[in-house]
Amino acid sequence: GAVVSQHPSRVICKSGTSVKIECRSLDFQATTMFWYRQFPKKSLMLMATSNEGSKATYEQGVEKDKFLINHASLTLSTLTVTSAHPEDSSFYICSARDQGGPYNEQFFGPGTRLTVL
Amino acid sequence: AQTVTQSQPEMSVQEAETVTLSCTYDTSESDYYLFWYKQPPSRQMILVIRQEAYKQQNATENRFSVNFQKAAKSFSLKISDSQLGDAAMYFCAYLDRGSTLGRLYFGRGTQLTVWP
Repeated sequence: GAVVSQHPSRVICKSGTSVKIECRSLDFQATTMFWYRQFPKKSLMLMATSNEGSKATYEQGVEKDKFLINHASLTLSTLTVTSAHPEDSSFYICSARDQGGPYNEQFFGPGTRLTVL
Repeated sequence: AQTVTQSQPEMSVQEAETVTLSCTYDTSESDYYLFWYKQPPSRQMILVIRQEAYKQQNATENRFSVNFQKAAKSFSLKISDSQLGDAAMYFCAYLDRGSTLGRLYFGRGTQLTVWP
């Protein structure tokens, strides 16, 4: 199946700093990528839909100025958590949509665990 | 908006036995996909099985099979000959085939424990 990478896998930062998370589709082009947040033992919560070359679409309640998304190429989307605070600590997962595949399927990255001190 | 409901927060099964995880969904669309994803402790989302709504035949993948009841909007996952490695969180998901963005709608998940 298609492979999606995410970097870093873990990051610890101080409160007030910014953190960038990268999501790459390694063997296919993805015009659409998704960013999720997941709390322990909970489901994936969609934060935003990232479209190559255009602005991301944010879900209701997600602060677009805090969670900056850039989808500059067909294989890379980035999520920047700006001025991070301890409540932003969470597990962040990206997925990339393979529109060239038969099922229009999303493939998931391994996730990034963010801890804000 | 489409909703996906998993009514069993936790399930357990003895190794080598069979377990069924439930999922119901609500949609007004007729052409869609349904998925079961597995999320082990590593938290990597792994596709277990998919079902195309226009196919009447239930999907199977080795020890994993589904019972797809379109009229009832039900999509259960049966795991046969359960193995310790099957222990994970399982998510049911829905995708509207005509969706331009391809957004997935997830259930809340079922935590499966497998006892030796």
